[in-house]
Amino acid sequence: EAGVAQSPRYKIIEKRQSVAFWCNPISGHATLYWYQQILGQGPKLLIQFQNNGVVDDSQLPKDRFSAERLKGVDSTLKIQPAKLEDSAVYLCASSLGYRGSEQYFGPGTRLTVT
Amino acid sequence: EDKVVQSPLSLVVHEGDTVTLNCSYEVTNFRSLLWYKQEKKAPTFLFMLTSSGIEKKSGRLSSILDKKELFSILNITATQTGDSAVYLCAVEAVEYGNKLVFGAGTILRVKS
Repeated sequence: EAGVAQSPRYKIIEKRQSVAFWCNPISGHATLYWYQQILGQGPKLLIQFQNNGVVDDSQLPKDRFSAERLKGVDSTLKIQPAKLEDSAVYLCASSLGYRGSEQYFGPGTRLTVT
Repeated sequence: EDKVVQSPLSLVVHEGDTVTLNCSYEVTNFRSLLWYKQEKKAPTFLFMLTSSGIEKKSGRLSSILDKKELFSILNITATQTGDSAVYLCAVEAVEYGNKLVFGAGTILRVKS
């Protein structure tokens, strides 16, 4: 079974530029999550999708971050414009069901904003 | 505000030592507590605990939950260099689906 795929793996941009990350969940997984993990901290949930609908985006900085999952499969997360404090690893996870243990994480995208 | 606190922040031990990692939490509508191991990549699932006093065990790793005192411990016996990683504790809150609130993690380094 293929895992959660993410791209790119690494990205370096200057502040005020825009960037987009892509995630392809495990086939058949209805729930998709985007997490932000700043160095030295645990992952923080940014947004959760159930199929193509948003379940929770309470911690998404909506003035600069946006995410979509148009066909209920893969998803993109965009930052525009980026700030220095956005430097982090962005993890995508997916799950078939509604329990935390069933979340499978992708390898992450490491973003550096200079 | 939901909160998960892990201690110690970091730990250095020698191979063969036993370590205990701590996780305390304050969340509304607690459902379960999870432990993950994170090396230089994605977190991988170790345990899910829902009931107090019942030990979960997998090889040299074990974990237990105390829902009265709101904490959990993760024990690793006979540590090996391959145990070196960040250990994350997360609490599942019944709020919007199955939201996970993570602690900052404990960095474990096992020296040979």
